[in-house]
Amino acid sequence: DGGITQSPKYLFRKEGQNVTLSCEQNLNHDAMYWYRQDPGQGLRLIYYSQIVNDFQKGDIAEGYSVSREKKESFPLTVTSAQKNPTAFYLCASSNQGASSGNTIYFGEGSWLTVV
Amino acid sequence: AQSVTQLGSHVSVSEGALVLLRCNYSSSVPPYLFWYVQYPNQGLQLLLKYTTGATLVKGINGFEAEFKKSETSFHLTKPSAHMSDAAEYFCAVSRQGGSEKLVFGKGTKLTVNP
Repeated sequence: DGGITQSPKYLFRKEGQNVTLSCEQNLNHDAMYWYRQDPGQGLRLIYYSQIVNDFQKGDIAEGYSVSREKKESFPLTVTSAQKNPTAFYLCASSNQGASSGNTIYFGEGSWLTVV
Repeated sequence: AQSVTQLGSHVSVSEGALVLLRCNYSSSVPPYLFWYVQYPNQGLQLLLKYTTGATLVKGINGFEAEFKKSETSFHLTKPSAHMSDAAEYFCAVSRQGGSEKLVFGKGTKLTVNP
């Protein structure tokens, strides 16, 4: 089946640790995104990438890093610099970017909790 | 810059009643408008979108929305609510020539009472 796979579904991080959330898509989409969701806050864009080996910061990039070495993969690292990382993280992709009116498709999300 | 306001963070309706979820947007140029639905602990699923053409857009699960430029609105409606419609709904906007960012509202949680 075509789609976006995020793993793990649940992840626990200790203080001071970096953790990486995986996102893989087999839709052959050029653009990929990471959003953070907090209750009552809607979705906020962390990073996005329109092509391989290129990515741009979103609204809340501080404390996060990404890479785009392959078209189908866009992993997100939550670093120890992110002071409040507990949230629901959503990976998404689209054929082209949002400025073309293309639909953005979402994965099932990953819960990150700091313990 | 675009922005989206969803009026009412919680909406409660009876099964069989009309569903109306409100969305107003701000954009300096014609927008692209989207409604997504999210069930608990899941990702977002597209309900419908407006890009160009007919201003009344029909989506999945019996939902529809009308783009009203004069009112800068894109309200979501469904004539008769079903228990399975209980979820959180997000309105989002982007625009031609803008950034690649899809801007989301804060969401409206719909409760359907039996």
